[in-house]
Amino acid sequence: EDKVVQSPLSLVVHEGDTVTLNCSYEVTNFRSLLWYKQEKKAPTFLFMLTSSGIEKKSGRLSSILDKKELFSILNITATQTGDSAVYLCASRGSNYKLTFGKGTLLTVNP
Amino acid sequence: NAGVTQTPKFRVLKTGQSMTLLCAQDMNHEYMYWYRQDPGMGLRLIHYSVGEGTTAKGEVPDGYNVSRLKKQNFLLGLESAAPSQTSVYFCASSRRREGVTGANVLTFGAGSRLTVL
Repeated sequence: EDKVVQSPLSLVVHEGDTVTLNCSYEVTNFRSLLWYKQEKKAPTFLFMLTSSGIEKKSGRLSSILDKKELFSILNITATQTGDSAVYLCASRGSNYKLTFGKGTLLTVNP
Repeated sequence: NAGVTQTPKFRVLKTGQSMTLLCAQDMNHEYMYWYRQDPGMGLRLIHYSVGEGTTAKGEVPDGYNVSRLKKQNFLLGLESAAPSQTSVYFCASSRRREGVTGANVLTFGAGSRLTVL
């Protein structure tokens, strides 16, 4: 059974801090790993990673995948209160399904 | 584009009642999914569909049925609701082909909050 584990489950930081969120996975015939941000409603897509060692970057957010060690990290630099959300990691194997982790609840205090 | 639209957004049921959640997407996506989200549990896949007329079970299919009679619609049914089915339900869709930009990236609906008393 495919499995995705995220850590920490929750995190409280101050504005301006840098945070690193972790995601490890066990997936049969791994195809891709995705990060989503969820605020009040639907998860919104951040990154999709398929190759090891290639960083994806969007503004203050970046993510990298290590296919040998089966994990990914999501970095957020210079955090802002608007970054407060649940961050979801998901992996896709040879079937058509995404398996999600339980998420990391990030709270950024002013 | 509307993207993925779920109806209803909120519903309260009594134990034993039945209901159907409707999901509609206007992006011509082949794949569609129903997830439920509970506190501390993340998103868990209920059922999914890889094309019109086909459905398959996910992680937590018991107590639910689905149908995909049209490519753009994916219905989730509860035949006899139970309090354990109190949850937020998300529908999602994605493209099929490997290598196509956006493939495997799920687009989610806004969610449907269901309470079973």
